[in-house]
Amino acid sequence: GNSVTQMEGPVTLSEEAFLTINCTYTATGYPSLFWYVQYPGEGLQLLLKATKADDKGSNKGFEATYRKETTSFHLEKGSVQVSDSAVYFCALSDRNYGQNFVFGPGTRLSVLP
Amino acid sequence: GAVVSQHPSWVICKSGTSVKIECRSLDFQATTMFWYRQFPKQSLMLMATSNEGSKATYEQGVEKDKFLINHASLTLSTLTVTSAHPEDSSFYICSARVGTGPGSYEQYFGPGTRLTVT
Repeated sequence: GNSVTQMEGPVTLSEEAFLTINCTYTATGYPSLFWYVQYPGEGLQLLLKATKADDKGSNKGFEATYRKETTSFHLEKGSVQVSDSAVYFCALSDRNYGQNFVFGPGTRLSVLP
Repeated sequence: GAVVSQHPSWVICKSGTSVKIECRSLDFQATTMFWYRQFPKQSLMLMATSNEGSKATYEQGVEKDKFLINHASLTLSTLTVTSAHPEDSSFYICSARVGTGPGSYEQYFGPGTRLTVT
């Protein structure tokens, strides 16, 4: 079945450091890929998405490129801020499976001032 | 646009009582709504999928008689936790999707409801 794997956290960085959170997926079809962010005590917010191979999603300085050859969708940001501290979820939606979402386990990011 | 609300945002109830959580799409009509459960420091687990006017489809291992889902309109779905027990304490998140065609891949998430059963 479909699955999403993320690098284990927690990830702790200093402000202005470079961030990479790895995400790889397994899917039988051609999924759409997403990154969601969850701040403490809140629901999920869509951070960015990509719907086909080689698409790059970007938002708020974050970006991720849909790599079909490596089945990856790694999240990057050049300079993190304290306000980026949150849990980040990689997810896929596969039209072959009713478009239902499959989430990764989440990666907790803490950015220190 | 595409705002989903949940009510209440948090609730505390006694063991054995029932609790109803509402999920509303505020500015769009949702053909499908989803209910997820999230344990502390864990990912989201899909509980069930509901389409307006039809019975919900539950994921394996989710008790449909315990977690009653009603999708009465295109903007409202409710989750009722019946005879709640402390192990039902969790963060419940709903999401809504527009359409069912190939392009309708995106879900819009509510802010979540934290349930504590004492």
